[in-house]
Parts: sequence; C-alpha cells; structure tokens
Amino acid sequence: KAGVTQTPRYLIKTRGQQVTLSCSPISGHRSVSWYQQTPGQGLQFLFEYFSETQRNKGNFPGRFSGRQFSNSRSEMNVSTLELGDSALYLCASSSEYGYTFGSGTRLTVV
Amino acid sequence: QQQVKQSPQSLIVQKGGISIINCAYENTAFDYFPWYQQFPGKGPALLIAIRPDVSEKKEGRFTISFNKSAKQFSLHIMDSQPGDSATYFCAAEGGSARQLTFGSGTQLTVLP
Repeated sequence: KAGVTQTPRYLIKTRGQQVTLSCSPISGHRSVSWYQQTPGQGLQFLFEYFSETQRNKGNFPGRFSGRQFSNSRSEMNVSTLELGDSALYLCASSSEYGYTFGSGTRLTVV
Repeated sequence: QQQVKQSPQSLIVQKGGISIINCAYENTAFDYFPWYQQFPGKGPALLIAIRPDVSEKKEGRFTISFNKSAKQFSLHIMDSQPGDSATYFCAAEGGSARQLTFGSGTQLTVLP
C-alpha cells in the first residue's frame, strides 16, 4: 500500500513569490492535514480537509491556503513568501486508525 | 499557548538502557495520545498510541504509561538500541477539532 506522497521534496523560492505544494494521501483516506515544522516553533497545524471541505484551520495568516480535490489529493499554497516561511511542510492522511505523514516538502525562502 | 509540554529536550542513553520521555497536557478534551518517531529527512512515523480508557499500552519495546488524573503520559523504550536514535514527539487530539497538538520533541541518542 503506497504511503503519503508529497511533491516536490525541495523548493527554493524568493521572498514575495508564491508556492504550491502537493500531497497525495493513502488510497481510501479522505482526510488530509497539513503541518509546518520549524526548529523554533516545532510542528504546528495548518489546516485539515475532508471530502473537499476545510474542516479546521490553525493559527496562520491568510497567505496560507489549501484545497482538496475529489480524488482526495490536496494542495497548499503560500502567497507573498516571507523568510520566516522557510520550513518543512508535512502532509498527513488519516483514517480511524491514525495519521500517516509524508516525508515533507522542504521550502527555503531566500 | 503550548498545550502539550514535553521533556526532556534531549536524552542520551547507553545501549540496552531504558529511555523515558514525558509529556503533560492541559486540554481535558484530548482523548487520543500518539507518539511519533522522526528521522532526519523523514516525516514523523506513528510508534504507538493510547486512549484514556487504559493506563498502559505495550508494543514490543515501546510502552506508553498514561495518568489521566495528572494529565500526563510517557513513553518508555526498553533495551534502547542505536537505531532508536531519532527525535520523538508526543501529541494529543480530541474534542471537535481533528488536529494533532504536538510536544516540542526529544532528541534521543543511544550510544553503542
């Protein structure tokens, strides 16, 4: 059974640009969550989608957005990138048995 | 507001020893408490999880102890191995929101 796939693995962007990250969940999982991981703030919840609807959102500015498609694949978008957005962005798909995380996308903003 | 406090920040254990990591939570609505292991360049991987209706759960060398009245839970790694060297995160979830609240992480080093 394939795991959670995140693309790309690495990204380098310039301040002010925007970026889109992609996540393909485990087949059959309808819930997809996104987390930001930084050395200073640790793992922080961004948002959760279920059946194309955002059910929950963390405490991040509106520059962070996401969506989920009918096949459960999800994307998150960060607009007007800031240096502080440099982080590992993790996607997790979940079922009643718990969460499975992907390997993440390492975003570096320069 | 940090809702899950994890300690210690780092831990060094000899091979064969017991590693113990502690977490405390504040939100009494939490009803699912997983532990994750993360290696460099990888996402967190679920190790073991517990719900508040039991006080202990064991899977192989990994044991969660849960104290509902004290709002604390801990991970015990028996017979620690160098391959266990990683960062460990406790987490909690509950109430109406489907989201994990993570502890700050413990970097475990097991010396050969």
